[in-house]
Amino acid sequence: GIQVEQSPPDLILQEGANSTLRCNFSDSVNNLQWFHQNPWGQLINLFYIPSGTKQNGRLSATTVATERYSLLYISSSQTTDSGVYFCAVLRDSNYQLIWGAGTKLIIKP
Amino acid sequence: DSGVTQTPKHLITATGQRVTLRCSPRSGDLSVYWYQQSLDQGLQFLIQYYNGEERAKGNILERFSAQQFPDLHSELNLSSLELGDSALYFCASSAYDLEREQYFGPGTRLTVT
Repeated sequence: GIQVEQSPPDLILQEGANSTLRCNFSDSVNNLQWFHQNPWGQLINLFYIPSGTKQNGRLSATTVATERYSLLYISSSQTTDSGVYFCAVLRDSNYQLIWGAGTKLIIKP
Repeated sequence: DSGVTQTPKHLITATGQRVTLRCSPRSGDLSVYWYQQSLDQGLQFLIQYYNGEERAKGNILERFSAQQFPDLHSELNLSSLELGDSALYFCASSAYDLEREQYFGPGTRLTVT
């Protein structure tokens, strides 16, 4: 089946720093989503981005489908950005989201 | 707020017991998905329903079952509970099947003692 790898596994930054999180996937996909899981366990939709580039405030994401990777950019980090960031993909004929292991981000004040 | 609701938020029960988790999808969404997040196995897909019919099954144990009702809400039934069933259970919904964004509920944290 399709494999999803995220890097780095852990990231510790000072408030105000920028970061780039990467998601590699092993086959073509119909759907790619980025999520933020906050310290309370809630999964928050960040982007639905099977291809192209999107921006939402301090966050942006780019998916290069032909090269099978996606990047999540976080600028001017805030302590509330702490948590785990997941990439998940969905492939035709397979209805389930396949999840990466996540990147754990800690933003220090 | 994603628009997906789940109840209860927390559940503590003993081994061998049976519990029911409930999910209401976003208004208008026909697909409901159940996922399990455990410490050792990460996030895993359990099962999907579309407009009342089972559409896909993932790593769902035989002790677990689910259904989607005519009003589109869904229930996940977990029986003969074991310690290893302790996890966060998420429900998600989407408008259709493929190529549609899935929106997640707040989850139900199940603790089996």
